[in-house]
Amino acid sequence: KNQVEQSPQSLIILEGKNCTLQCNYTVSPFSNLRWYKQDTGRGPVSLTIMTFSENTKSNGRYTATLDADTKQSSLHITASQLSDSASYICVVSAWGGGNKLTFGTGTQLKVEL
Amino acid sequence: DVKVTQSSRYLVKRTGEKVFLECVQDMDHENMFWYRQDPGLGLRLIYFSYDVKMKEKGDIPEGYSVSREKKERFSLILESASTNQTSMYLCASSPPGVGNTEAFFGQGTRLTVV
Repeated sequence: KNQVEQSPQSLIILEGKNCTLQCNYTVSPFSNLRWYKQDTGRGPVSLTIMTFSENTKSNGRYTATLDADTKQSSLHITASQLSDSASYICVVSAWGGGNKLTFGTGTQLKVEL
Repeated sequence: DVKVTQSSRYLVKRTGEKVFLECVQDMDHENMFWYRQDPGLGLRLIYFSYDVKMKEKGDIPEGYSVSREKKERFSLILESASTNQTSMYLCASSPPGVGNTEAFFGQGTRLTVV
């Protein structure tokens, strides 16, 4: 069964600090992995996509990494801002089976002053 | 901008009522999805559709049905609402094909069944 596990479940950091969120997956055959940001009361919005051949990708203060061998991804947030407070969801897509996605349960990040 | 619009942000319904959740997308996407999101469980797929009048069951279809009469509209129907269907419902759409496609989500509908 395809699964995506994220850690930690929740995280509180001070504004300006960095943090790293983790995602482990057992989705096969792997197609791509996306990190989504979901603000409270809103739908998820894609931050970045990682394909099999990519090791790292940045989107502003967000940097995602992918290790396809160990089936792990991380999302690093640099110089956090209050607006980074949200749930971050790791989503993995498998080849075949249409566009069915396997979602992690998310990491709830809170950035405080 | 891609836009996926869900008809209601908040709904309160009584047990046993028939409930319609509407979703419209303006990107001419073939694929549309309905998910529910519960704390600690993440997003779970209820139904999806690849084309007009086409539907397939997701992981948790029991107690739900869907309708896709037009390409831009995908409706989720709770035939007889129950309290365990209290949840956040998210609609999404994506272009066709496998691989590097992004799902675009609506704002969500928070449904409470009392």
